[in-house]
Amino acid sequence: AQTVTQSQPEMSVQEAETVTLSCTYDTSESDYYLFWYKQPPSRQMILVIRQEAYKQQNATENRFSVNFQKAAKSFSLKISDSQLGDAAMYFCAYRSSGSARQLTFGSGTQLTVLP
Amino acid sequence: EAGVTQFPSHSVIEKGQTVTLRCDPISGHDNLYWYRRVMGKEIKFLLHFVKESKQDESGMPNNRFLAERTGGTYSTLKVQPAELEDSGVYFCASSPLANYGYTFGSGTRLTVV
Repeated sequence: AQTVTQSQPEMSVQEAETVTLSCTYDTSESDYYLFWYKQPPSRQMILVIRQEAYKQQNATENRFSVNFQKAAKSFSLKISDSQLGDAAMYFCAYRSSGSARQLTFGSGTQLTVLP
Repeated sequence: EAGVTQFPSHSVIEKGQTVTLRCDPISGHDNLYWYRRVMGKEIKFLLHFVKESKQDESGMPNNRFLAERTGGTYSTLKVQPAELEDSGVYFCASSPLANYGYTFGSGTRLTVV
């Protein structure tokens, strides 16, 4: 079974600075998908970024980018130029490329952005 | 396009009572998922519908939980009778067939007292 670990329960960053959230996972599969979801106080789970394991290039979405290290099974999220609206719970998630479409989540990292 | 809608947003019930949660997926999304997050723990998969059929219900904790998706549209998740450990946030998500992008609802916060 796959597991996802987020070792940082809480993180804080100064507005306009950069922060990196860590995520590691364990799997025996070679093809899979990785995701970062954001959950603000409104509770809506919002997809931030996704990465296909077969792609060597790290995914980027505006101020959000990932550092995907397949051999190390690491998938960190970097938020550049942090904004107050980035404050949220961030979840790392794994999904197999096979027929099972369920997501396996980490325990989350609560990000605080300081003005 | 309307998003995934969940009702109610909050529910407080007494132990032993019955509660029914509802999820309206995005129109045309054949895949519908239920997840829950018990306080402070990981978000856990409960089950997966493809249209009206249960594709995978391996995450359902016990037979007090019953999920249905009549006609392949909205889904309900009934907890009967509710126990204290059922408290948490229940999320619904949907996606089109053969697409790995999910859209989540805002969840239902269930408190059993």
